[in-house]
Amino acid sequence: DSGVTQTPKHLITATGQRVTLRCSPRSGDLSVYWYQQSLDQGLQFLIHYYNGEERAKGNILERFSAQQFPDLHSELNLSSLELGDSALYFCATHPPPQTGGIGYTFGSGTRLTVV
Amino acid sequence: ELKVEQNPLFLSMQEGKNYTIYCNYSTTSDRLYWYRQDPGKSLESLFVLLSNGAVKQEGRLMASLDTKARLSTLHITAAVHDLSATYFCAVGGAGGTSYGKLTFGQGTILTVHP
Repeated sequence: DSGVTQTPKHLITATGQRVTLRCSPRSGDLSVYWYQQSLDQGLQFLIHYYNGEERAKGNILERFSAQQFPDLHSELNLSSLELGDSALYFCATHPPPQTGGIGYTFGSGTRLTVV
Repeated sequence: ELKVEQNPLFLSMQEGKNYTIYCNYSTTSDRLYWYRQDPGKSLESLFVLLSNGAVKQEGRLMASLDTKARLSTLHITAAVHDLSATYFCAVGGAGGTSYGKLTFGQGTILTVHP
C-alpha cells in the first residue's frame, strides 16, 4: 500500500454520463497530480493541485475538471463521457520540497470503462 | 515542449541475459525517474536520479544518468522471469523547480523467457 488512496478501483459507465474519481494523498503531502493512461496516448499529465490551488494543466479536456479540498483530497470529474475516455486514471503525490523528501508516489488507479 | 523517448519499446529476453533500455529526453531537466508497472497495476518507483553521472543499483537493475547527453539507461543483468513488466522513464522538475509534472516515455514492455 503506497498510502495514496484512490477510489473507486473500477468504474463502468455509459457514454454521456458523468463520474467522479477520488484521490487521498498521504498525510503531509500537499500536492496531487492526475494522470491518464491509455493504450494510444500512454501516460499523460492532466492537472496538478497544490494545497488547494491549481498549479498546472496538461492535456485535460474541457469536459474534465478537478478540485482539491481543504482536507487535501482531490476529485477528478469526467463528464459527457465518450468511449475514448476509457483508461486508467492515476493520482500521484510527493512530499513537500522543504522536507527534503524526493520522489512521487502513485495511487493504485481507477480503471474507467465507458460502454 | 519536453519529449521523452524510450527504446526499445518491446524487449524479449532470455533468462540469464543482459540488456539495456535507453531513455532520451529533449530539454534540460532536474530529475529522472524510472518506474515499473505490472499489467493493470500502479507505478512502482525504481530509481530517482538527481545529477549528472548518478548511478543507482537495486538487485539486477542499474540506472544511470548523463545530463549532458540527456540520456538515462536502465541496465538489466542476468534477467529473471520476475522482471517481466513495463518500464517507464519520466522526467520532472522542469522550469527551475524541484517538482512539477512528470513527462513519461512510451514505456518498454519487457518479457523474460526461460
